[in-house]
Amino acid sequence: SQTIHQWPATLVQPVGSPLSLECTVEGTSNPNLYWYRQAAGRGLQLLFYSVGIGQISSEVPQNLSASRPQDRQFILSSKKLLLSDSGFYLCAWSVLETGELFFGEGSRLTVL
Amino acid sequence: AQSVTQLGSHVSVSEGALVLLRCNYSSSVPPYLFWYVQYPNQGLQLLLKYTSAATLVKGINGFEAEFKKSETSFHLTKPSAHMSDAAEYFCAVTNRDDKIIFGKGTRLHILP
Repeated sequence: SQTIHQWPATLVQPVGSPLSLECTVEGTSNPNLYWYRQAAGRGLQLLFYSVGIGQISSEVPQNLSASRPQDRQFILSSKKLLLSDSGFYLCAWSVLETGELFFGEGSRLTVL
Repeated sequence: AQSVTQLGSHVSVSEGALVLLRCNYSSSVPPYLFWYVQYPNQGLQLLLKYTSAATLVKGINGFEAEFKKSETSFHLTKPSAHMSDAAEYFCAVTNRDDKIIFGKGTRLHILP
């Protein structure tokens, strides 16, 4: 069966520091992968999605970037964090036939 | 273009009472519809999905939803609320060829 993992689960970082959140999927090949962010009271915001290795689409201009170095690995990065980058980050992969998403456990980022 | 509207950002029901969370969608083609549940500090979990088969869909934890094309609705119900149902619920729509669109979420509170 398919599983998705992301880490770290919790992260507290100072403003201006770098960021790396990692997500891996097991049990499926060539998945579509997604990064979402949840800020308090603001629902789910799609940040990036990828349909294959090295193929990244950005949904909103921001301080973050994403990379997909391997088929089942998706990384969210920043060179210099801002206070506004705080939030709950969710990685997900989708079933092509129906479009439904399966989510990881989430990573809580607090920028101080 | 697709869209989802969830009526009520917060809904409170008494334990044992009917749960009704409302979702209306807009889609130019036959949609696939989903309800997800999110417990605090966790990822989203699929509750149920409609993919053009039976219009009454049964999901996990006793929840069900009915697809009503004439009303463009996909409301989520549960006959008897339990304290463990307290969570945030997201309705979502896709048509396979486009990215999934989420509603802003409804936080369900269960009163003892």
